[in-house]
Amino acid sequence: AQRVTQPEKLLSVFKGAPVELKCNYSYSGSPELFWYVQYSRQRLQLLLRHISRESIKGFTADLNKGETSFHLKKPFAQEEDSAMYYCALRLDSNYQLIWGAGTKLIIKP
Amino acid sequence: EADIYQTPRYLVIGTGKKITLECSQTMGHDKMYWYQQDPGMELHLIHYSYGVNSTEKGDLSSESTVSRIRTEHFPLTLESARPSHTSQYLCASSEWGQGTEAFFGQGTRLTVV
Repeated sequence: AQRVTQPEKLLSVFKGAPVELKCNYSYSGSPELFWYVQYSRQRLQLLLRHISRESIKGFTADLNKGETSFHLKKPFAQEEDSAMYYCALRLDSNYQLIWGAGTKLIIKP
Repeated sequence: EADIYQTPRYLVIGTGKKITLECSQTMGHDKMYWYQQDPGMELHLIHYSYGVNSTEKGDLSSESTVSRIRTEHFPLTLESARPSHTSQYLCASSEWGQGTEAFFGQGTRLTVV
């Protein structure tokens, strides 16, 4: 069955340190992966998608089909990066999104 | 401005009451979704729609029902609320196509006492 795993519920790093939020997926079809972010008191919004291969707010994520991973990385964390981050897998069969449990990222000053 | 709206933002009601959570989008999207999310947990899909007169149940069993009479409107109804329905409910919409993102409303936090 399809599944998205975010092993860390909470990740706390100092400002300026590198950040890596892990995401692993299980899916037999053609995966389409996304990272969504929810800042305090704001709605859930898209951060980036693997198909675009883009860098948003300094974050990047590479789809590794061999390791079935889509880890989110940023070389130098900033305090405004503190938020909840969700990894999501879109199924090519019915376009539904399967969500990870989320990782709360706290950037310490 | 194109957006997706949910009302109310917060609702506290008594057990046994009938409630309807409203969701409207002005983006012209065909696909709409309802998710249930407990604090700090993943989103669970409870209903979705591919367009007018299309409604499907999601992965999470829910006692709620939905309707899609108009493209922009996707209300969720609980006929008889129970404390176990206490949760946050998120509405979202999206277009078809690879790489398209889901746009979310602000959510409705429901408490059944």
